[in-house]
Amino acid sequence: AQTVTQSQPEMSVQEAETVTLSCTYDTSENNYYLFWYKQPPSRQMILVIRQEAYKQQNATENRFSVNFQKAAKSFSLKISDSQLGDTAMYFCAFQTSYDKVIFGPGTSLSVIP
Amino acid sequence: EAGVAQSPRYKIIEKRQSVAFWCNPISGHATLYWYQQILGQGPKLLIQFQNNGVVDDSQLPKDRFSAERLKGVDSTLKIQPAKLEDSAVYLCASSLAQSPSYNEQFFGPGTRLTVL
Repeated sequence: AQTVTQSQPEMSVQEAETVTLSCTYDTSENNYYLFWYKQPPSRQMILVIRQEAYKQQNATENRFSVNFQKAAKSFSLKISDSQLGDTAMYFCAFQTSYDKVIFGPGTSLSVIP
Repeated sequence: EAGVAQSPRYKIIEKRQSVAFWCNPISGHATLYWYQQILGQGPKLLIQFQNNGVVDDSQLPKDRFSAERLKGVDSTLKIQPAKLEDSAVYLCASSLAQSPSYNEQFFGPGTRLTVL
């Protein structure tokens, strides 16, 4: 069975600094997708970034980038120049083709002014 | 573009009562998902519809939970009778298609259920 682990229940970062959220997963599949979702307090969950396992290049979306280590089954999210609006729960998620998305337990990130 | 709509936003009921949640996905989205998110955990898929057919309901407690998506558009999730452990946020999401290439899921605001 596929599992997703996020070992950091809570993290904090000073505004304008950089923070990295960790995620590991377990699967025997070779082709799959990895996601980071953001869930702000009392607001909708939105997709932050997506990585296809067959792509070696790490995905980047503005201030958000990932470090995808396929052999280690690791998928960390780096947030640069942290902003107050980045305060949220962050969920790492995993999906194989045509299968359901498996979410990790989440990391609560607080950006401190 | 209108997002995924859910109602009600909050619901408080006594155990053994019934409750229903409604979801209207983004127009044109064929796939609709219902998730249960217990406090401190990530969302867990309860049921997935492709148009008006069920794709995956393996984690739906079928003795008390039911869901339907008549006409392949909006959907209703029902709990009857509710238990204390059903207290959670129920999220609805939709995506354009089932294909992973287009499988970005768009989430609604959720319904927070408290069972007393």
